[in-house]
Amino acid sequence: GESVGLHLPTLSVQEGDNSIINCAYSNSASDYFIWYKQESGKGPQFIIDIRSNMDKRQGQRVTVLLNKTVKHLSLQIAATQPGDSAVYFCAEIATDSWGKFQFGAGTQVVVTP
Amino acid sequence: DAGVIQSPRHEVTEMGQEVTLRCKPISGHNSLFWYRQTMMRGLELLIYFNNNVPIDDSGMPEDRFSAKMPNASFSTLKIQPSEPRDSAVYFCASSLDGRGPQYFGPGTRLLVL
Repeated sequence: GESVGLHLPTLSVQEGDNSIINCAYSNSASDYFIWYKQESGKGPQFIIDIRSNMDKRQGQRVTVLLNKTVKHLSLQIAATQPGDSAVYFCAEIATDSWGKFQFGAGTQVVVTP
Repeated sequence: DAGVIQSPRHEVTEMGQEVTLRCKPISGHNSLFWYRQTMMRGLELLIYFNNNVPIDDSGMPEDRFSAKMPNASFSTLKIQPSEPRDSAVYFCASSLDGRGPQYFGPGTRLLVL
């Protein structure tokens, strides 16, 4: 039978389009944020991070935006490829919470041809 | 860099048996984390170590779970006795100093019958 579990939001994206994955965080003291990618059957993989003294950071095909006013984080993937299909997690931490990241539930990204 | 190494990758056991999961962190990383991932609860932090010393084990579900880190390159997570509700994917992660990104291993998929 079908298992009951977390209902992950799903983002369906056509190959070649840009993807935007959103994450709301709750702790106003959080000052360091990470995006992870988890492919089926694998462990979470670090993509990009950002500290609270920045509002934008770019990597290879990815950009993270941080809006501290509304406690919102987003990950933009340019020219989405089939290999980008995965679950994407945001993680937040406050400096005094040493090591104890809070992970979001994740967003399932499905890239269609 | 070999990344975080976990063994076994898959484990099937019967209720009541002892299960030992193993982890080798990235060389030079001083912090090690054990997580459990299930469909119902997502990613949960069980315990973490800094310089081989357990810092916070508040996430360990009950006394049946124990973790050790006898040296900087090896850690174990033990479940004794195991129960069907322990079935999950167990991840080990390491980071340079606990304040930066955590790098995850491939996980151990545990099924307790």
